[in-house]
Amino acid sequence: EAQVTQNPRYLITVTGKKLTVTCSQNMNHEYMSWYRQDPGLGLRQIYYSMNVEVTDKGDVPEGYKVSRKEKRNFPLILESPSPNQTSLYFCASRLAGSHEQYFGPGTRLTVT
Amino acid sequence: AQSVAQPEDQVNVAEGNPLTVKCTYSVSGNPYLFWYVQYPNRGLQFLLKYITGDNLVKGSYGFEAEFNKSQTSFHLKKPSALVSDSALYFCAVRGLYNQGGKLIFGQGTELSVKP
Repeated sequence: EAQVTQNPRYLITVTGKKLTVTCSQNMNHEYMSWYRQDPGLGLRQIYYSMNVEVTDKGDVPEGYKVSRKEKRNFPLILESPSPNQTSLYFCASRLAGSHEQYFGPGTRLTVT
Repeated sequence: AQSVAQPEDQVNVAEGNPLTVKCTYSVSGNPYLFWYVQYPNRGLQFLLKYITGDNLVKGSYGFEAEFNKSQTSFHLKKPSALVSDSALYFCAVRGLYNQGGKLIFGQGTELSVKP
């Protein structure tokens, strides 16, 4: 089954404790993105990648890092999480030349 | 700058009645418009898109959307609502620059369909 997977689905952590949210897609898509969803704000792009070793900032990149060492994986790294990063995070992927993005199931992160 | 507005936080409809979820946009150039649906504890699912061509676009689950350039609107419609259509709906426009196909989302509209 074609899908985007994320782990973990739920995470509660404390301020300053480094964490990684994994994202993997099995559709051989070139493009991958991370979004955060906050009430009343919709989804906002954090980082994106156009292919292996090609990443760039989206609209709200502060406090986040990403890497794209393999085509299928695009982990989101929070080096020192803060409470304002409490949010629902979605990974998405897209085939080059296509307009349709496929979204993962989301990761709900709480930083206390 | 590209932007999308969904003027209603919530829409309530009785089952069997037609439904409309509103979306207006502001873009530079030709708009690439999308509707996504989010069910509880699930990711976003693609419903339909407008890139070019007919102003009435048909999508998944019986939904359709009408592109109106003069009113800069892209309202989502369904002739007969189902209780199972209850979900959070997002309108989106493609960002001005590629940015990995970035989508700019509206704030979402909660659709509630009552039996």
